[in-house]
Amino acid sequence: ETGVTQTPRHLVMGMTNKKSLKCEQHLGHNAMYWYKQSAKKPLELMFVYNFKEQTENNSVPSRFSPECPNSSHLFLHLHTLQPEDSALYLCASSQVPLGAYSNQPQHFGDGTRLSIL
Amino acid sequence: AQTVTQSQPEMSVQEAETVTLSCTYDTSENNYYLFWYKQPPSRQMILVIRQEAYKQQNATENRFSVNFQKAAKSFSLKISDSQLGDTAMYFCAFMKPVGGTGNQFYFGTGTSLTVIP
Repeated sequence: ETGVTQTPRHLVMGMTNKKSLKCEQHLGHNAMYWYKQSAKKPLELMFVYNFKEQTENNSVPSRFSPECPNSSHLFLHLHTLQPEDSALYLCASSQVPLGAYSNQPQHFGDGTRLSIL
Repeated sequence: AQTVTQSQPEMSVQEAETVTLSCTYDTSENNYYLFWYKQPPSRQMILVIRQEAYKQQNATENRFSVNFQKAAKSFSLKISDSQLGDTAMYFCAFMKPVGGTGNQFYFGTGTSLTVIP
């Protein structure tokens, strides 16, 4: 039990579908993250939420839309995705946000393996 | 955009020996931070060591030290007296401070280190 639960574990969708990834953390953390991990590519930090306030880390396409209704739940809404979006999407949480002097570990979920047909 | 390159996907080292993980980065920024993170099978992302770019002295944390070559944009991690618990995925990361909205992080592809008993 990692304390960070992601659903679904696997998702196959067509390019015209709309789906959502869900993340839930039971650790009382204030910061939550979405990462994208593709084979042989750098780990990509997509979005950061601190006390439900969003910070976008990279230039993420608008077909990815995060939502953080409270500090325990995080969603990633997907629509009109492209084949290159196939990847492992990881959710993480930490007590304080990732930063220059943050020593708090991030706790990761097991990820959602997304495949775009 | 900043890029972080880890050229060693996998490495192994005998217990008690020393190993060096390489990392290079590309940036036009002058103010930034560099990190090494460890992700063991427990799936926590743990900070191993940090280096402020404005500091010339190499950071050290117990058995972990870095060789920071700012002009060469190189940031290697040396692990001395390797222990079985050091077995993990190691990510090199670059952070650019962004005023107001937070910081931007860029990660490498990771190096999977196995310590052999």
